[in-house]
Amino acid sequence: DSGVTQTPKHLITATGQRVTLRCSPRSGDLSVYWYQQSLDQGLQFLIQYYNGEERAKGNILERFSAQQFPDLHSELNLSSLELGDSALYFCASSVASGAGETQYFGPGTRLLVL
Amino acid sequence: QKEVEQDPGPLSVPEGAIVSLNCTYSNSAFQYFMWYRQYSRKGPELLMYTYSSGNKEDGRFTAQVDKSSKYISLFIRDSQPSDSATYLCAMSDLAGGSYIPTFGRGTSLIVHP
Repeated sequence: DSGVTQTPKHLITATGQRVTLRCSPRSGDLSVYWYQQSLDQGLQFLIQYYNGEERAKGNILERFSAQQFPDLHSELNLSSLELGDSALYFCASSVASGAGETQYFGPGTRLLVL
Repeated sequence: QKEVEQDPGPLSVPEGAIVSLNCTYSNSAFQYFMWYRQYSRKGPELLMYTYSSGNKEDGRFTAQVDKSSKYISLFIRDSQPSDSATYLCAMSDLAGGSYIPTFGRGTSLIVHP
């Protein structure tokens, strides 16, 4: 158990809908990262927050947004969902945001868009 | 060409074999090199990381980095059925003050008794 929690574990929804994925980092970790993992693309970095502020952005679609709250939990919002958004979404956390920081991954949310 | 290339496998070996997993990359700015293990339906778990070139050993696992060839390896000695998982290599450089890793697509390893 990495100490990172994600809810829900599974999500089934329809195209065009909006969903929110939630992540609680390990106690003491200030940095939260979101990743998307699909069979054809592998593990892709979406966005990072550090202590409430956006720190880095990857290949995140405009339909997707995230935030980190004062209690350091984070939410990833996916809107206008398409079939291709079906994937595993992982949250990871680390103490800081520097070189060699170990990222601890949560168990993931499996999203299926029908 | 992807930044990080990794053979997806599957790689099937008998218990006790030495396993070699490899990745190649194209970005010479990468400085940190990591190996993650991911069991089915679980999140990736960091096994080892190294900075720049060289070797690092941790129990049955050895990581090697050859920056001149842009090639990294993970060796697993005395492989066990419990090592059956997908192994992801990852690499990072300092981009905007944050070391965001770029992952390979993973190699599926099966160790059979």
